[in-house]
Parts: sequence; C-alpha cells; structure tokens
Amino acid sequence: ETGVTQSPTHLIKTRGQQVTLRCSSQSGHNTVSWYQQALGQGPQFIFQYYREEENGRGNFPPRFSGLQFPNYSSELNVNALELDDSALYLCASSFRDGTESYGYTFGSGTRLTVV
Amino acid sequence: AQSVTQPDIHITVSEGASLELRCNYSYGATPYLFWYVQSPGQGLQLLLKYFSGDTLVQGIKGFEAEFKRSQSSFNLRKPSVHWSDAAEYFCAVGPRAGSARQLTFGSGTQLTVLP
Repeated sequence: ETGVTQSPTHLIKTRGQQVTLRCSSQSGHNTVSWYQQALGQGPQFIFQYYREEENGRGNFPPRFSGLQFPNYSSELNVNALELDDSALYLCASSFRDGTESYGYTFGSGTRLTVV
Repeated sequence: AQSVTQPDIHITVSEGASLELRCNYSYGATPYLFWYVQSPGQGLQLLLKYFSGDTLVQGIKGFEAEFKRSQSSFNLRKPSVHWSDAAEYFCAVGPRAGSARQLTFGSGTQLTVLP
C-alpha cells in the first residue's frame, strides 16, 4: 500500500509567479484535502476535493485553486504568489463512502518559498 | 468559530519522565478530536482519535489522551518519554457533520527530550 506522495519537495518562486503542487493519493483513497502550514503554526485547511469537485473550502482567496483527476491525484495551484504564501503545503487523502471518514493519510509536504 | 488552543509552545522533559500536553478547544458541539505528531521534514502522523465512547483513548507509541467535556479539553499523556518522541505535536478537531471533514489544528507544542 503506497502512501501519499507530494512533488516537488521544495520549491522557490518569485512574488507574482504561479505555482502548481502535485499530490498522489494513497491507494484506495478517493478524497484529497490540502493544508497550508506556515512556519511555527498548525496546518490550515485550504480545500477538499471529492469526485473531482471542490467539496469544502477554508478561508483562502480564489487565487488558490485545485483539481482532482479521475485517478484521485490532485493539484494545488496558486496564482499571483505573495511572500506570505511561503509555507509547507500538505496533502492528505482519505476514503469517503457516504459515511464520512477521518482516516487521513498525510504526505510529507512541499516547502514553498516565495522571494 | 471553532478554535484549538495548545497553551504550551515548547516543553522539555527528561527521557523516562512522564509527559502531558494540553489541548483546549472551542466548538459549537462536541467535535471529533485528534492528536498528530510531526517530525522535522515529515508530514503528520495520527497518534490517536476520539469519536465517542470511553473518554480515555489509547494510541500508538504508548500515548493516551483523555477527553473531558466539562473542560473542553483533550490532553495527551505518556507515562515514560523516549528520546524518539522529540517532535512537534498538534491537537486537532473536526466536525461530526458536514461533507468536508476539515480539521482545525492548534499551533502545536514542540517537545524536546533530554538524555
């Protein structure tokens, strides 16, 4: 059973640029959530995808967007990068079958630095 | 709005000593409760969770936590700490209803273990 894989592990971008982060779900999982973890803080919920649709969103602006693909992998896109977007971005997958599950498996994250 | 408070930013204990990490939450109704651990450069690993039933929950690595409804607390304990327990610990809550089971995390407690 493979875990959650995120790529790249580290990334440096310039303010104003756009970035795409990728996540491969754990085998058998059909739901993906993304979290932002700023330095010294706990993770904050960005959004969740289920059946290729956004299924809940935290307090993040529209320049944070995502996709979920038929194989349940996912992308997080951030446009017009700001310095405050520098953080560890965590992907978590889980299985949802109508009765909700909190069986999240987290990836190791992508460390994004905006300069 | 829901919130999680971990009042201790940093705790230092000697190896073999007991440990208690505090967590208080503010929520409209009793949420689901979790403790996660994060080692440097790693994602989050679930230590234990409380959904219902016995308020004393056993987890992995010898950890346990006690849910106290009257105090809105979910403190994590371990009777004898090992050097490998040095990491950051996050308490989290999640809703019992709603389609997106997003987690709200505390800001974490950094644990240092002295030899």
